Amino acid sequence: AQSVTQPDIHITVSEGASLELRCNYSYGATPYLFWYVQSPGQGLQLLLKYFSGDTLVQGIKGFEAEFKRSQSSFNLRKPSVHWSDAAEYFCAVGNRGNMLTFGGGTRLMVKP
Amino acid sequence: DTAVSQTPKYLVTQMGNDKSIKCEQNLGHDTMYWYKQDSKKFLKIMFSYNNKELIINETVPNRFSPKSPDKAHLNLHINSLELGDSAVYFCASSQYRATDTQYFGPGTRLTVL
Repeated sequence: AQSVTQPDIHITVSEGASLELRCNYSYGATPYLFWYVQSPGQGLQLLLKYFSGDTLVQGIKGFEAEFKRSQSSFNLRKPSVHWSDAAEYFCAVGNRGNMLTFGGGTRLMVKP
Repeated sequence: DTAVSQTPKYLVTQMGNDKSIKCEQNLGHDTMYWYKQDSKKFLKIMFSYNNKELIINETVPNRFSPKSPDKAHLNLHINSLELGDSAVYFCASSQYRATDTQYFGPGTRLTVL
């Protein structure tokens, strides 16, 4: 069975600081990996995804993520956080049946 | 243009009632989904339809019945509502390819009193 763990429930960073959100997955085959962001009261928006090729993936809003098979990780990074990045972030793993399994989410707070 | 829309946005009802949530997508996708997000923000898939055919049906009580009249619509009907059904329900759509992005609607917040 596939699963995703996001070890950090809450993270607070100062505006302008760098950010890394952790994601570990469990999946028997080559995973399809996604990062979504949910702003308060909103639906989920895709930031980036990985399914093959270059293990460093660029996404929208200046985010990137690196797939590390040896560590079963797909951590999300941003070099300089903006106050508008405050939101809930979800990592997900997908299978060939289009079934997404989400992690528990990480709430990002940004200090001015 | 709204890509995936849901109605209503908020739904407050009493235990035991029956209610429906509607979802429509104008992206031309062939696959639609229902997810449930609980109070702890945990998000879990409930159902998936591809070309109006049920392809994913997680362990959801049979009080929940999805209906897909066409590829652009996937409605969720819930019978005999219980307190534990209170959650935010998200509809999503995509093409039926594992690498394809699922686009989410804004959610319907259901509160059962």
